[in-house]
Amino acid sequence: KQEVTQIPAALSVPEGENLVLNCSFTDSAIYNLQWFRQDPGKGLTSLLLIQSSQREQTSGRLNASLDKSSGRSTLYIAASQPGDSATYLCAVSGNTPLVFGKGTRLSVIA
Amino acid sequence: EADIYQTPRYLVIGTGKKITLECSQTMGHDKMYWYQQDPGMELHLIHYSYGVNSTEKGDLSSESTVSRIRTEHFPLTLESARPSHTSQYLCASSPRGQPHNEQFFGPGTRLTVL
Repeated sequence: KQEVTQIPAALSVPEGENLVLNCSFTDSAIYNLQWFRQDPGKGLTSLLLIQSSQREQTSGRLNASLDKSSGRSTLYIAASQPGDSATYLCAVSGNTPLVFGKGTRLSVIA
Repeated sequence: EADIYQTPRYLVIGTGKKITLECSQTMGHDKMYWYQQDPGMELHLIHYSYGVNSTEKGDLSSESTVSRIRTEHFPLTLESARPSHTSQYLCASSPRGQPHNEQFFGPGTRLTVL
C-alpha cells in the first residue's frame, strides 16, 4: 500500500528565504506526483504536476523535482513571501487515485 | 482557475438528518472524486467515478453514497448524519487520458453534525 510522508510537518521562515519541502513515497510505481497548496478552510490549488518520466517542473518561483527510483520529491520555493504561507501537500497516483501526505504547514514571517 | 463547485460551503445539521453535498464541474471531465479531510489530517479518498453510471469506493470506508447520472454532477449523500461524519468534504475532477491525470479541486464543504 502506497504511503506518502512529508517532512517537515511545519516550517517557519523569514521573508526572502529560499526553502525546500520534502516528500517521500514507498511504492515507486507511480504515474505522476502532484504538489498542492491549501489555505485554511479552503480547497486545494494544484501547483505542479510531474509525470513519472520527468525529473522536474518549474512554475514561477516554484521548482519541483522527482527521483522516482528513490521515492522522493522536493518542492523548492525561491524568495519566499508572506503570501506563500499555507499548507503544502504532496500526492502520488499509481494503480489507485491520489494518495496524499499530511502536508507541510509553512509560515513566512514578514 | 478550475470550474468546479461545491454547495453548501458550510453545513451544521442535527443527528439523523439526511444530507446531500453537491459537486458540479463545467470542464467536461470524465473522472470525479470525493475526499474526506479531518482538521490537520491528510485527505482520504472515499468515492470516485470514471464516468456516467460508474462509481467506486475509495480507500477510506464511508457510510456515504454517491451517484453519477450526469457527467458534470457527482453528489454525495449521507442517509443519517452522525457526529462522526463531522469533517471537510472535498470534490475533485480530472480529464480523460492517463489513468490519473492532474486533479482540480472544489472549495470544499465543511460539515458539522451536532
